[in-house]
Amino acid sequence: NAGVTQTPKFQVLKTGQSMTLQCAQDMNHEYMSWYRQDPGMGLRLIHYSVGAGITDQGEVPNGYNVSRSTTEDFPLRLLSAAPSQTSVYFCASTPGTTRGEQFFGPGTRLTVL
Amino acid sequence: GIQVEQSPPDLILQEGANSTLRCNFSDSVNNLQWFHQNPWGQLINLFYIPSGTKQNGRLSATTVATERYSLLYISSSQTTDSGVYFCATDFGNEKLTFGTGTRLTIIP
Repeated sequence: NAGVTQTPKFQVLKTGQSMTLQCAQDMNHEYMSWYRQDPGMGLRLIHYSVGAGITDQGEVPNGYNVSRSTTEDFPLRLLSAAPSQTSVYFCASTPGTTRGEQFFGPGTRLTVL
Repeated sequence: GIQVEQSPPDLILQEGANSTLRCNFSDSVNNLQWFHQNPWGQLINLFYIPSGTKQNGRLSATTVATERYSLLYISSSQTTDSGVYFCATDFGNEKLTFGTGTRLTIIP
């Protein structure tokens, strides 16, 4: 199993550009989530999904969209990038709900100029 | 509001020393997890421990849910233990809330 994969590893955007961060898992996990990690802070939940076709907002959802058309994929879209979205983004998956072991992807380091 | 607080924020130890990391949470929890983020940024789940005690090699964790805290013990520290340790909980909903972490540095 590849586990949780994320692409790209690094990305530089200009303010106002849009892009999609990709996340995929091959463990047939129902729960998937996106977090951002800023310096000196823990991870903050952006959006999550408890299964295909179901998504919900986390702590910091503004400026981000998600969809979950399949169990395997959970892309995160930045609609109009802003410098405040410069961060490291992690995708995670869990069998069942959050009440189980979380498996994290390697992260995407995003810089918005 | 709902909070997860970790202490100490930073810890520097000599190789071979033992350490205790603490996680306090502001409300009752059904789910408490500990994670290790290594110096390259990779996040690994260490324990899922909503209550009681678990051990895995040199690491062990204890959660006392009634008193709203969890402890992570690291014995005989090695340089590979360096990194940031996070605790996280969901407070009964589907959203995991992370603490701000303890940065552990092990000196050879």
